[in-house]
This record gives sequence, C-alpha cells and structure tokens, in this order.
Amino acid sequence: DTAVSQTPKYLVTQMGNDKSIKCEQNLGHDTMYWYKQDSKKFLKIMFSYNNKELIINETVPNRFSPKSPDKAHLNLHINSLELGDSAVYFCASSPLNQPQHFGDGTRLSIL
Amino acid sequence: AQRVTQPEKLLSVFKGAPVELKCNYSYSGSPELFWYVQYSRQRLQLLLRHISRESIKGFTADLNKGETSFHLKKPFAQEEDSAMYYCALRRSNYQLIWGAGTKLIIKP
Repeated sequence: DTAVSQTPKYLVTQMGNDKSIKCEQNLGHDTMYWYKQDSKKFLKIMFSYNNKELIINETVPNRFSPKSPDKAHLNLHINSLELGDSAVYFCASSPLNQPQHFGDGTRLSIL
Repeated sequence: AQRVTQPEKLLSVFKGAPVELKCNYSYSGSPELFWYVQYSRQRLQLLLRHISRESIKGFTADLNKGETSFHLKKPFAQEEDSAMYYCALRRSNYQLIWGAGTKLIIKP
C-alpha cells in the first residue's frame, strides 16, 4: 500500500512526559509536513522538510523537535508535554509543488 | 496579509439541496487554490484544485480573481458529503495557508 503512515494512532500520556510520533511515506515524495489540528478542527502547519532540510518552521514551542533521518521519514518529538498539546497531529507528504497526501493522524491526549 | 477565510464554521443543508461552501482569500501573487475534505474518522484528502478545473464527486470550484473567491459548489447534496471541508492556498514558497474549515452536515 502506498501511503503516509503515522504511529501511534492514539497516544495517551501524562503532563511532563516526552513522547515521539513517527511518520513514514513510501510515495517517493521529497517534502514532508507536520500539522496540528485542535479541538475546533483548525489546521495549523508546524514544520516542513524538503530533502531532509527544514524549510518551514512556524511559531511552535521549542519543546517540539522534528527529525528527518531520510526523505521518507519525518518524526516529531515532544518534550515536557502540556495540556494544551492535546490535539490530532497529521503528517503529510508531497512532491514540492504538488498537493499533499495526509496520514491518518495521531490523537494525542494529555492527562 | 495572506489569509484564507471560510466564513461558515457550520453549514447544514437537506439532501438534494444545492451546496455552496464559501472560501475567500487574500494574496498578492498568483494563487493556487485547493479544497481538501476530511470525512469522519478519515484522513484529510485532496478534493480538487483550481488548475484542474474538474468535477470531483459532483463538486466544482471556480477561481474568481475579481472577488478573490474559490467557492465549492454541488447542485444536489448527498448524505455522504457530510464532512469537514478546508480551503487552502499555496504560496510561492509552496507553503499552504489553510482556512479554518467548514463542517458540512447533510440532513436526510
């Protein structure tokens, strides 16, 4: 199956913990993205990598750190989780000037 | 300022009625616009893009540069059209600017 896959789908953890969300795409795309969708369904870009280089870095707390070990992977590490981090996080990929393909999302719940 | 505005957070219409989801944009360059859809518990997916000028699932959208709009239309709504719809604009640096989304509910 060609797709953008994220793991885990659900993540429930306590405040203060550190967690990672993984994203992999086998579509051969050179650009990957992380989005945050809040409880009101508002979608906000967080980061974008093109050929493993950071090209978009929106105003996001530095507790969030993306890592792209290769073009097919863009992982999101979050330190010292806070209540406000509860959201659905979507990974996406695309060729640089083409529409984005999204993963299923990771629902992060902070207790 | 560059922005995408979807003025309706929620739109509810009866099955068989026409649907129009509004999208207005503000952008100084030549815009490329998209509509994405997110069905319940599914991933976001591209519905259509203005340069394709095609109809997908009965939906069409025309870019009106004079009115800076890219409204999504369907003449006869179906229950399976119920979803969140996002309008997005691609900037020259390839970043997408997203609207806040409109939740479309089709009543039987």
